[in-house]
Amino acid sequence: NAGVTQTPKFQVLKTGQSMTLQCAQDMNHEYMSWYRQDPGMGLRLIHYSVGAGITDQGEVPNGYNVSRSTTEDFPLRLLSAAPSQTSVYFCASSYLAPSGRAGTDTQYFGPGTRLTVL
Amino acid sequence: GQNIDQPTEMTATEGAIVQINCTYQTSGFNGLFWYQQHAGEAPTFLSYNVLDGLEEKGRFSSFLSRSKGYSYLLLKELQMKDSASYLCAVKQRGYQLIWGAGTKLIIKP
Repeated sequence: NAGVTQTPKFQVLKTGQSMTLQCAQDMNHEYMSWYRQDPGMGLRLIHYSVGAGITDQGEVPNGYNVSRSTTEDFPLRLLSAAPSQTSVYFCASSYLAPSGRAGTDTQYFGPGTRLTVL
Repeated sequence: GQNIDQPTEMTATEGAIVQINCTYQTSGFNGLFWYQQHAGEAPTFLSYNVLDGLEEKGRFSSFLSRSKGYSYLLLKELQMKDSASYLCAVKQRGYQLIWGAGTKLIIKP
């Protein structure tokens, strides 16, 4: 199993450009999520999905869109990049833990995309 | 409000023991996770606690007290490769995790 894969690993954008960060997992996980990680701050949830066709907003959704057409893929779109979106972006996936199986919803992370917006 | 506190940085000596604390105030509790993150890499899962007490996994142990909103990660027989950031995260009701800012652990020879 490849686990969680992300592309690209590095990206530089100019203000106003758009792009899509790709995320795929081969573990048949129902739950997928996007986080951003900034220095001195915890991981912050951007968007998440509990299954194909279902997405919802996290803590910091503004400026980002997602879709989930398949179980495996969960792309993140930046609509009009801004310098404030310079960050490291992580995709993560997990099972949805049924009751009585605590801990089976451990999240597994992709390697990250390092994005710089000039 | 929701808050998770961890020390920003700690220093320890190779071969020693270190305890990294995490205190939390969240609306709901459904488990606490510890992750390790080496510089420039993704977080990787270390441990999970949902009931009070100690969970031991080799050189790493994690403790939880739900009444005190407190957890710690204990690392024994420290090795240079343990130099990393350690992230505490609380699962509330539902699917979302609330993350602390992480503790950077520096190991000195």
